[in-house]
Amino acid sequence: DQQVKQNSPSLSVQEGRISILNCDYTNSMFDYFLWYKKYPAEGPTFLISISSIKDKNEDGRFTVFLNKSAKHLSLHIVPSQPGDSAVYFCAATSTGNQFYFGTGTSLTVIP
Amino acid sequence: DTGVSQDPRHKITKRGQNVTFRCDPISEHNRLYWYRQTLGQGPEFLTYFQNEAQLEKSRLLSDRFSAERPKGSFSTLEIQRTEQGDSAMYLCASSGAGEQYFGPGTRLTVT
Repeated sequence: DQQVKQNSPSLSVQEGRISILNCDYTNSMFDYFLWYKKYPAEGPTFLISISSIKDKNEDGRFTVFLNKSAKHLSLHIVPSQPGDSAVYFCAATSTGNQFYFGTGTSLTVIP
Repeated sequence: DTGVSQDPRHKITKRGQNVTFRCDPISEHNRLYWYRQTLGQGPEFLTYFQNEAQLEKSRLLSDRFSAERPKGSFSTLEIQRTEQGDSAMYLCASSGAGEQYFGPGTRLTVT
């Protein structure tokens, strides 16, 4: 069963605009959420995380929002840059022993 | 430290053969994870070690798969009697607490 879902396989955004990537989860026990970026032929790279006690976390151009009642999180990238073009995965865990990943969203930032 | 390393980066094997992959985590990390990723999917959890103890193992992991982490440092993942369905990218990640740092992966092709 897919406990973490990314329903948009791809997203295209103009350079300088905002990119919004979405993620939904089904397990209410998840209490820690992460976003990873992946370039071809490389392993995923950690971007930003959020604990369930917060509803927002910022790191530079990246902000993650968590809506626990809707079991939804989103990653905002502002402003988007061509180097942000990659596949983005969200992940969640309740114990830190096992992480569940979504299927990814491929972001293309158009110069 | 140069990050998580994996060896080999690519492996081609014939169906029925055994293969072994190695992961060297970031030295101060006590947690180590193995994942499998196929095309269009996110990383799928296989197993988790804390130091040398294997604490979690996916129900999806067949008896042909075994992992070890002797002395709590590097880890090996062995697949016995490989099948074509085992063809995938095998990712290793390590963490201290919180986010995981991934290696570049080992791409396995079973012919």
